[in-house]
Amino acid sequence: QSALTQPASVSGSPGQSITISCTGTSSDVGSYNLVSWYQQHPGTAPKLLISEGSKRPSGVSNRFSGSKSGNTASLTISGLQAEDEADYYCCSYAGSNTFVVFGGGTRLTVL
Amino acid sequence: QVQLVESGGGVVQPGRSLRLSCAASGFTFSNYAMHWVRQAPGKGLEWVAVLWYDASNKYYADSVKGRFTISRENSKNTLYLQMNSLSIEDTAMYYCAKDLYQLTDWGQGTLVTVSS
Repeated sequence: QSALTQPASVSGSPGQSITISCTGTSSDVGSYNLVSWYQQHPGTAPKLLISEGSKRPSGVSNRFSGSKSGNTASLTISGLQAEDEADYYCCSYAGSNTFVVFGGGTRLTVL
Repeated sequence: QVQLVESGGGVVQPGRSLRLSCAASGFTFSNYAMHWVRQAPGKGLEWVAVLWYDASNKYYADSVKGRFTISRENSKNTLYLQMNSLSIEDTAMYYCAKDLYQLTDWGQGTLVTVSS
């Protein structure tokens, strides 16, 4: 059960856009439209940002968007704000044997 | 609103057992699959196990297979995680989370520390 690959860290200035990649394989990200993204601030529980690759739950800002190409999913945050500074995790369904696998997480720093 | 409250964590010696609980409210518990996810101190999220809404299917991460058992009591709106043969590597915050392919709601977690 190998974790999905995310960059360890990304950074951006307020107002800018950043993209976090999440690379899997043809057994997980590439095979299913079931990638989700989570935001976690220090000391708190994760929060769902994106489901099924690109769907935003009610209450999630439209500054957050998701996409997928082949075995790589991406989370884009536009109009960076200070409160976006957090850890971000991708997650994908990986079939009935593995079921779910997370990425290693990306620390976003807002400069 | 959806509320998930984990309990049962604590300090336990290697090789011992512990049972975690997750009390659910604010939604029809018996209609949803539930997960356990853990996070070691300073580390990323690790999926642990999932249980179907009617307990008909369950899956485990390789790291806990054969040692951990996920179960539920729909009449009590409660999810459980029985953890046996605990090792230091099981030290983590344990979260329960709702739904099958995307974890829509999470509890605040319960901390399990395995230490001699």
